[in-house]
Amino acid sequence: AQKVTQAQTEISVVEKEDVTLDCVYETRDTTYYLFWYKQPPSGELVFLIRRNSFDEQNEISGRYSWNFQKSTSSFNFTITASQVVDSAVYFCALSFINDYKLSFGAGTTVTVRA
Amino acid sequence: EAQVTQNPRYLITVTGKKLTVTCSQNMNHEYMSWYRQDPGLGLRQIYYSMNVEVTDKGDVPEGYKVSRKEKRNFPLILESPSPNQTSLYFCASTRLAGAEETQYFGPGTRLLVL
Repeated sequence: AQKVTQAQTEISVVEKEDVTLDCVYETRDTTYYLFWYKQPPSGELVFLIRRNSFDEQNEISGRYSWNFQKSTSSFNFTITASQVVDSAVYFCALSFINDYKLSFGAGTTVTVRA
Repeated sequence: EAQVTQNPRYLITVTGKKLTVTCSQNMNHEYMSWYRQDPGLGLRQIYYSMNVEVTDKGDVPEGYKVSRKEKRNFPLILESPSPNQTSLYFCASTRLAGAEETQYFGPGTRLLVL
């Protein structure tokens, strides 16, 4: 069985501040995928990133960056210089390779104030 | 344009009145699944399908049925809806065993069962 924990329920920041979202996972499998999804107020789920358990390289995409540390079973997400449009619920998820079922964390609500 | 469509987007119904939520994808994906999203619980998988005529239960299948007669369609059937099935439902699809195993989500269906 696998489990994804997002301990932060809500985070509120002022525009241009950096914000880091924590994600800790549990799995007995050695091969898996980790994901981050964004759910804006409009409700759709937007794919942000997929990371293979074999690849511990950090990744940066514009103002978004991800830090994957297998040793601590964490896959944290940082938004640099946050903007109001970043206000959303962010979900971390895990799936086994060749299983495809996503196990989601409970989500972290990020509010960016102007 | 690659997409997953769901209909209806919003539905109010009464207890016991059978309903079907349709899901269709235009990417020729083998894998499709249904999730429900409830406050504080994140997203949980209801049913999934690995290919035509192949379906299986997810984490919360009680009260739901699915079918996969065609590759592109994966309807969710509530034979006798109850108020505890009031939720936000998402359909998702992905390619199996591909380099890009991104899960594409539909826009969601908000269901209220009175």
